[in-house]
Amino acid sequence: AQKVTQAQTEISVVEKEDVTLDCVYETRDTTYYLFWYKQPPSGELVFLIRRNSFDEQNEISGRYSWNFQKSTSSFNFTITASQVVDSAVYFCALRGGGKANFGNEKLTFGTGTRLTIIP
Amino acid sequence: DAGVTQSPTHLIKTRGQQVTLRCSPKSGHDTVSWYQQALGQGPQFIFQYYEEEERQRGNFPDRFSGHQFPNYSSELNVNALLLGDSALYLCASSLTRDNEQFFGPGTRLTVL
Repeated sequence: AQKVTQAQTEISVVEKEDVTLDCVYETRDTTYYLFWYKQPPSGELVFLIRRNSFDEQNEISGRYSWNFQKSTSSFNFTITASQVVDSAVYFCALRGGGKANFGNEKLTFGTGTRLTIIP
Repeated sequence: DAGVTQSPTHLIKTRGQQVTLRCSPKSGHDTVSWYQQALGQGPQFIFQYYEEEERQRGNFPDRFSGHQFPNYSSELNVNALLLGDSALYLCASSLTRDNEQFFGPGTRLTVL
């Protein structure tokens, strides 16, 4: 069974502060993929990043960065110099991968973290 | 390049009724997945369609059924609606050989 835990239900920070959203996952698969999605009030899930289990390099994209650590089964997301437009609900998700999991493309989501950036 | 589209945007039904939600995948995608997102929760996988067949199913009762058409568009049907079916229903499309799912804006279903 796969499970994703986002322990932080809500976070509020003042604009320009840095903020880190935590994600811990559980899976028995040796090959798997991790994702982060942003859900603004409109409801549509916006893809932010995909990471496979064999690539533990941290990634930076503008103000966004991700820290993947297999040793602790975590895939944390940091926003640097937060802006009001970053206010949204953020979801971490997991899916199996590889030939053994072909046909198992379902995403397992965490319960999300509601991020509010205070102007 | 049109993204994933869903219709209708909002829907209000009463208990016991039936509902059909529709999804058109992103151009070039052949796989459609449906998710239910209750208020304050993460999306829950309902099922996935590929080549007009249900490939995988989540923990949802048989009241939830679907269909995929030759043009890859899909429908989600829910029979005998319950109050607990009120949720945002999200459709996602992908290529079978790729694992990036693109989501539509969702259909918000309210059951009274």
